[in-house]
Amino acid sequence: AQSVTQPDIHITVSEGASLELRCNYSYGATPYLFWYVQSPGQGLQLLLKYFSGDTLVQGIKGFEAEFKRSQSSFNLRKPSVHWSDAAEYFCAVGATKNTGKLIFGQGTTLQVKP
Amino acid sequence: EAQVTQNPRYLITVTGKKLTVTCSQNMNHEYMSWYRQDPGLGLRQIYYSMNVEVTDKGDVPEGYKVSRKEKRNFPLILESPSPNQTSLYFCASRIQGGGYTFGSGTRLTVV
Repeated sequence: AQSVTQPDIHITVSEGASLELRCNYSYGATPYLFWYVQSPGQGLQLLLKYFSGDTLVQGIKGFEAEFKRSQSSFNLRKPSVHWSDAAEYFCAVGATKNTGKLIFGQGTTLQVKP
Repeated sequence: EAQVTQNPRYLITVTGKKLTVTCSQNMNHEYMSWYRQDPGLGLRQIYYSMNVEVTDKGDVPEGYKVSRKEKRNFPLILESPSPNQTSLYFCASRIQGGGYTFGSGTRLTVV
């Protein structure tokens, strides 16, 4: 069965520092991977997705993620964090590109220190 | 504006009183889905639909019903709500090969 693990429940970084949020998945074949962000009181917004091809994926708001098959990981990165990046971040996995079923991790809350 | 619209945004109801949360999308998306979000549990999929009249269970379907009679609408029905269904609910839609677009959420409290 597919599963997604986000090992860090809460992360605090200083504004301007780099960020890496971890995501590990469990799935036999090549999964379809997503990162979403949820600002307080808001719905979820898609940051980026990986289906195939280049393993380094660029997203919105200056975020990128790297798919590493050998490590079953899809970590999200940003070189320099802004205070407005404080939010909850969710990694998600789908079995196929056209699946309706999408499984989410438990989320990582990012706090940004001034 | 392309969006997924859920109504109501907030709802307080009593145990056993049937309710429906509506969801509508204006993007002509084939796929639609319902999720519930609970602290510490992330988002869990309740039901999803891959097209009109095609629905399937997600991970937590018990106590919920859905229907997809039209492409744009995907209502979530709680026939007999219970307090353990108190949660934040999200509707979402997507095209083939795309990520889900989420609605703004419905906060349901069952007392």
